[in-house]
Amino acid sequence: SQTIHQWPATLVQPVGSPLSLECTVEGTSNPNLYWYRQAAGRGLQLLFYSVGIGQISSEVPQNLSASRPQDRQFILSSKKLLLSDSGFYLCAWSSTGAAYTEAFFGQGTRLTVV
Amino acid sequence: AQSVTQLDSQVPVFEEAPVELRCNYSSSVSVYLFWYVQYPNQGLQLLLKYLSGSTLVKGINGFEAEFNKSQTSFHLRKPSVHISDTAEYFCAVSEYSGYALNFGKGTSLLVTP
Repeated sequence: SQTIHQWPATLVQPVGSPLSLECTVEGTSNPNLYWYRQAAGRGLQLLFYSVGIGQISSEVPQNLSASRPQDRQFILSSKKLLLSDSGFYLCAWSSTGAAYTEAFFGQGTRLTVV
Repeated sequence: AQSVTQLDSQVPVFEEAPVELRCNYSSSVSVYLFWYVQYPNQGLQLLLKYLSGSTLVKGINGFEAEFNKSQTSFHLRKPSVHISDTAEYFCAVSEYSGYALNFGKGTSLLVTP
């Protein structure tokens, strides 16, 4: 069966520090991968999605970036965090084409920038 | 591009009462529709989905939703709620040509005794 792992679960970082959040998927190949952010009291905002290795689409301009170095690995990064980057970050994957049924979410990372 | 509107940010309801959480969407193309539930500090769990076929879909935990294309709605219902249904509920839509989900802002369901 397929599983998605996301870590760390919680993170407290000072303003201006770098960020690296990692997400890996097991049990499937060539998935679509997604990063979402959920700010306090708000819905989920799509940040990035990827349809293949090295292919990243950005939905919202910001100081975050994403990379997909391997088929089932998706990394969210920042060189210098801002206070406004605080939030709950969720990684997700889905199949594509005729196999598409839904998106599957990780357990999330609670990021607090102080 | 599509968008999703969840008409109620908070819905308080008594235990064993029925509930309806409203969701409307806009899109120029055909879409897939979803309801997800989120418990505190956790990821999202799929409640139910509409991909094609019957417009009345049944999901987990006794929830169901009806796709109404003419009204562009996908309201979530449960005939009798439990305390354990207290959570955040998200309606989401994706287009056939792409699979990224666009979410509504969520509805907080609070079930009290």
